Amino acid sequence: GAGVSQTPSNKVTEKGKYVELRCDPISGHTALYWYRQSLGQGPEFLIYFQGTGAADDSGLPNDRFFAVRPEGSVSTLKIQRTERGDSAVYLCASSPLPLSGRVGSTDTQYFGPGTRLTVL
Amino acid sequence: AQSVTQPDIHITVSEGASLELRCNYSYGATPYLFWYVQSPGQGLQLLLKYFSGDTLVQGIKGFEAEFKRSQSSFNLRKPSVHWSDAAEYFCAVTYSGAGSYQLTFGKGTKLSVIP
Repeated sequence: GAGVSQTPSNKVTEKGKYVELRCDPISGHTALYWYRQSLGQGPEFLIYFQGTGAADDSGLPNDRFFAVRPEGSVSTLKIQRTERGDSAVYLCASSPLPLSGRVGSTDTQYFGPGTRLTVL
Repeated sequence: AQSVTQPDIHITVSEGASLELRCNYSYGATPYLFWYVQSPGQGLQLLLKYFSGDTLVQGIKGFEAEFKRSQSSFNLRKPSVHWSDAAEYFCAVTYSGAGSYQLTFGKGTKLSVIP
């Protein structure tokens, strides 16, 4: 079946502009994650959605970053007033974790190919 | 805060040689451990995972990893490396009770394979 897809694959923008990055999770997956991978680093957690709600946004670096998932499927990561330091690969992952997941249970996160964001 | 250390930034091995990539995680009562592989321009692909039970886990592409609680380690191994294994490898951890089950990744180990 189809995996996680992300669009665009590459985005070049100018400092100060607004960008939106889209993630289509695997159908039926209720959990969705955004990570950011800077050059030479491992991915770093940004935000987690359980259904439509952002259950954990503790990884968002500041209030220029915002994400939505209005219908519990597709998610959009929005970055306002972009800065050169925002340049990175933004990865999306989804997981079939159920809404009523048991304490102590977890499941595999399946990653998309990422969006490479370059801020000039 | 949970953390993962991959002490080797870059490893080079000859094709057919054995491989071990090291991973240490910060202490957690019940760690869930993962190894992912990332080829250039590709997303992260799960190689294997450890949740509980047998401490030696088998994964795809002939990889295995062993969980050693006493050493807080989860090293990845392969008995005979193929040229197609050249990629970057990431170890990741999450914990029971972590809420969001967000993954914490190491900085990765880049594997080069000499034909």
